[in-house]
Amino acid sequence: DQQVKQNSPSLSVQEGRISILNCDYTNSMFDYFLWYKKYPAEGPTFLISISSIKDKNEDGRFTVFLNKSAKHLSLHIVPSQPGDSAVYFCAASAGSGGSNYKLTFGKGTLLTVNP
Amino acid sequence: DSGVTQTPKHLITATGQRVTLRCSPRSGDLSVYWYQQSLDQGLQFLIQYYNGEERAKGNILERFSAQQFPDLHSELNLSSLELGDSALYFCASSARDRGYEQYFGPGTRLTVT
Repeated sequence: DQQVKQNSPSLSVQEGRISILNCDYTNSMFDYFLWYKKYPAEGPTFLISISSIKDKNEDGRFTVFLNKSAKHLSLHIVPSQPGDSAVYFCAASAGSGGSNYKLTFGKGTLLTVNP
Repeated sequence: DSGVTQTPKHLITATGQRVTLRCSPRSGDLSVYWYQQSLDQGLQFLIQYYNGEERAKGNILERFSAQQFPDLHSELNLSSLELGDSALYFCASSARDRGYEQYFGPGTRLTVT
């Protein structure tokens, strides 16, 4: 049962344009969402997060949008740069209120930004 | 550099053997998480420790165990290894008050032959 889904295995965009990566979830208990970037032979790198009480969070070129009613979130990268080429993972957590914050990951989307 | 270190970077061993993977969290982080990334399953949560105590378990096999020591480093022990255990094993850590944001180490690539 895949609770976090990234339906696009890959995405290709031109440098300078917008990259939009999408993620859907099924578990209504998720209350925190994150995006990670991963280069080959490295661990995932935390990019940006959003709490379920918000619908948008911005950090420089990266913006995450959350639509709770649709159980959908997206990551916008503007403008896209060749160095953004990597696998992007969507992750979600259903914090128990204690200190258990295990992440459930999607399977990732390979973003290629062409010069 | 996330500040999380993992050793060894690569490990090649035979079926039936036992290995230990080591993780040192970021300075000040009390929580350590272990994840497995295999080709077909993606990143899967295995187990979490918080300040030396087991806090949560995911789909961790009985052949696998972990612990967190007083200095907060953690070890993941994998025994009776099978070919299907070949994967990338990541450790992550988080600060007490921002547990959602987990910072990952570079991983250990385990190959079972």
